[in-house]
Amino acid sequence: AQKITQTQPGMFVQEKEAVTLDCTYDTSDPSYGLFWYKQPSSGEMIFLIYQGSYDQQNATEGRYSLNFQKARKSANLVISASQLGDSAMYFCAMRSFTGRRALTFGSGTRLQVQP
Amino acid sequence: EAQVTQNPRYLITVTGKKLTVTCSQNMNHEYMSWYRQDPGLGLRQIYYSMNVEVTDKGDVPEGYKVSRKEKRNFPLILESPSPNQTSLYFCASSYDRAEDTGELFFGEGSRLTVL
Repeated sequence: AQKITQTQPGMFVQEKEAVTLDCTYDTSDPSYGLFWYKQPSSGEMIFLIYQGSYDQQNATEGRYSLNFQKARKSANLVISASQLGDSAMYFCAMRSFTGRRALTFGSGTRLQVQP
Repeated sequence: EAQVTQNPRYLITVTGKKLTVTCSQNMNHEYMSWYRQDPGLGLRQIYYSMNVEVTDKGDVPEGYKVSRKEKRNFPLILESPSPNQTSLYFCASSYDRAEDTGELFFGEGSRLTVL
């Protein structure tokens, strides 16, 4: 069974600073994908970044980067130069490429960016 | 515009009154899935479908039904809703091809309250 653990229920960061949101995962599947989604207060799920288990390099998308450490089974999200609009709930998720291909979510981290 | 459309977005109903939440996607995705989101639990998969006429249970299927008669539609049916089904529901879809990342595209969510 897959499991995603996000140990930070809430985080604060000052505007323009960088912040790291932690995510560890557990799976026995050899091939999987790791995702981060953002959920603002309006409720929609916004895809941020993807990392494949066989990707050699860490994924980056604009101000978002994923610090992927396969041996440690961690996939932390780094947001550089935080903006007030980054205040939201952030979910780490994993999807196996076999079986029912469910996207398994962590419990989320609520990030608040302070001016 | 590529999108996943859910209806209704908001619904208040009473225990035992059958309801259906519709979901439609215009991206020709093979894979569709329903999730529910509850505080502190992240998103949990209810049912999924790999293709037309192929559906299967996710992690929390009790009290729900689904059908996949057409590729674009995947309705969620609550035959006899109970208060513990009060939640935020998301429909999501993706391609099911080996070369894809498996990114799930989410609808905007349906907030259901059962009194």
